[in-house]
Amino acid sequence: KQEVTQIPAALSVPEGENLVLNCSFTDSAIYNLQWFRQDPGKGLTSLLLIQSSQREQTSGRLNASLDKSSGRSTLYIAASQPGDSATYLCAVRHQAGTALIFGKGTTLSVSS
Amino acid sequence: GAVVSQHPSRVICKSGTSVKIECRSLDFQATTMFWYRQFPKQSLMLMATSNEGSKATYEQGVEKDKFLINHASLTLSTLTVTSAHPEDSSFYICSAPAGGPGEGYTFGSGTRLTVV
Repeated sequence: KQEVTQIPAALSVPEGENLVLNCSFTDSAIYNLQWFRQDPGKGLTSLLLIQSSQREQTSGRLNASLDKSSGRSTLYIAASQPGDSATYLCAVRHQAGTALIFGKGTTLSVSS
Repeated sequence: GAVVSQHPSRVICKSGTSVKIECRSLDFQATTMFWYRQFPKQSLMLMATSNEGSKATYEQGVEKDKFLINHASLTLSTLTVTSAHPEDSSFYICSAPAGGPGEGYTFGSGTRLTVV
């Protein structure tokens, strides 16, 4: 059974710092991996989607990498801002059309 | 982009009553809808998968008679929590594939259910 683990569970950094969030999964046979942002009491906002054949994806200050063989993904956030404060979720999908399996998330707090 | 509209966003109900949560796909046809539940500081856990015109598939440990799912059209899927109890208080959220097989999934905005 696929398990997704995110480390650290919480992270506090000062504004401007670069940071890395980690995601690991036990079954490397994934279809794709998606990173989301969740604000308190809100739904999910998709940040980046990486297909199993890809190594990384970039959007603005965000860069996500995928090492499928080792079961790892990282989300790099450059020059963090207070507005980046949220919970970041990693999720994997095994096949087209199947449900996402989520990690518990990393709660990020960026202080000004 | 593809949008799933979920209502209500927040609901408080008394123990023993039923609550219906709706998810509508606004600009695409959702042949499949995934329903998740999230407890505080926990991950999103898949409850069930619904497919338009057929019975939902429930995950192990989820009571199908308590959490009724209806997916009668390509744009509407509903989750009804029947005879709700305080332990059913949670954040419920729906999700649907909105593009091709390699595309990401889009999520509703979630429903915070509080049973008193």
